[in-house]
Amino acid sequence: GAVVSQHPSRVICKSGTSVKIECRSLDFQATTMFWYRQFPKQSLMLMATSNEGSKATYEQGVEKDKFLINHASLTLSTLTVTSAHPEDSSFYICSARDLGDSLNFGQGTRLTVV
Amino acid sequence: KQEVTQIPAALSVPEGENLVLNCSFTDSAIYNLQWFRQDPGKGLTSLLLIQSSQREQTSGRLNASLDKSSGRSTLYIAASQPGDSATYLCAVNAGKSTFGDGTTLTVKP
Repeated sequence: GAVVSQHPSRVICKSGTSVKIECRSLDFQATTMFWYRQFPKQSLMLMATSNEGSKATYEQGVEKDKFLINHASLTLSTLTVTSAHPEDSSFYICSARDLGDSLNFGQGTRLTVV
Repeated sequence: KQEVTQIPAALSVPEGENLVLNCSFTDSAIYNLQWFRQDPGKGLTSLLLIQSSQREQTSGRLNASLDKSSGRSTLYIAASQPGDSATYLCAVNAGKSTFGDGTTLTVKP
């Protein structure tokens, strides 16, 4: 089946620093990838749609200067949390649709800002 | 705006029971509906994908149905096992996917 790999799985950073999260489609090409944020015991909140070779589309209320998305190739999208603060601590997950239109998710990244 | 509701929010059953999880959505103009399971601290694992033209999909002990006109889907789990304990999410795809809040299932040995 289609596999999406997300890295790192956990990261702890100091307040004010930036953190980059990678999302790769391993065995298929993804012109579009999705980035979500999940708070404890809540469902997924779509943050943005990453488009290969063009600008990402952000959901209402998501700061695009805070959450930088780059989709430079058909298999890689990155999310950079800039100038991270403790309130950015969360679980971030990416996904991509395969040719069968199935959503495939990465393993998620637990970000803790101290 | 699509709204997705999952009932119940939590469910606890003894091992071996058959059970049904429910997912309802407000806008029937969808491409497909997908069921996932999520273990604590992990990503989502796809269980079943039902296209809008389909009525049901089966995989092992799992069976998912879709009634697009009434905006409902069910996930049936047969002969539940402790390893089935997880949160189950449904996602409705109408271009963007909208997720329900999930049903947290606990299967007791």
